[in-house]
Amino acid sequence: AQSVAQPEDQVNVAEGNPLTVKCTYSVSGNPYLFWYVQYPNRGLQFLLKYITGDNLVKGSYGFEAEFNKSQTSFHLKKPSALVSDSALYFCAVRDRGYNNDMRFGAGTRLTVKP
Amino acid sequence: DTAVSQTPKYLVTQMGNDKSIKCEQNLGHDTMYWYKQDSKKFLKIMFSYNNKELIINETVPNRFSPKSPDKAHLNLHINSLELGDSAVYFCASSIGLAGNYEQYFGPGTRLTVT
Repeated sequence: AQSVAQPEDQVNVAEGNPLTVKCTYSVSGNPYLFWYVQYPNRGLQFLLKYITGDNLVKGSYGFEAEFNKSQTSFHLKKPSALVSDSALYFCAVRDRGYNNDMRFGAGTRLTVKP
Repeated sequence: DTAVSQTPKYLVTQMGNDKSIKCEQNLGHDTMYWYKQDSKKFLKIMFSYNNKELIINETVPNRFSPKSPDKAHLNLHINSLELGDSAVYFCASSIGLAGNYEQYFGPGTRLTVT
């Protein structure tokens, strides 16, 4: 069965520093991987996804993520954090194929301090 | 224009009541979903609909019933509300059922059962 883990409940970084939010997955075959962001009292917003091809995926707001098949990871990164990046980040995995549900990680709260 | 909208934003009601949450998407998507987010921010899929047909029905009590009058709308009706139903409910949509499609979320409905 597919599953996704976000090992850190909380990540704190200083503004201007690089940030990483970690995600590992467990699924048979080659999954589709997603990152979403949730701001307070808002719905989830899609950031980026890995489908196939280049392991480095670029997304919205300067975020990128690297698919690492050997480590079954899909960590979210940004070279220079902004205070406005503070939010709850969700990694999600979905089996390839048709009619498979998307499984979300437990979420990581990112706090960027001025 | 809001892509995925939900009403109401907040819903406070007593145990035993029946309530509905409405969802509309103007993206022209074929697939819509309902998720439940608990107090720990964990997201769980409840239902998905593709062209008015129920596709996924997780282990959700039959007190919950999705109703789709057309492919732009997916409403959630809940009978005999219980304390444990208190959560934030999110509607989402995607182009189709294929796993590589990202999902677009509504703003959420915070349900409080007293």
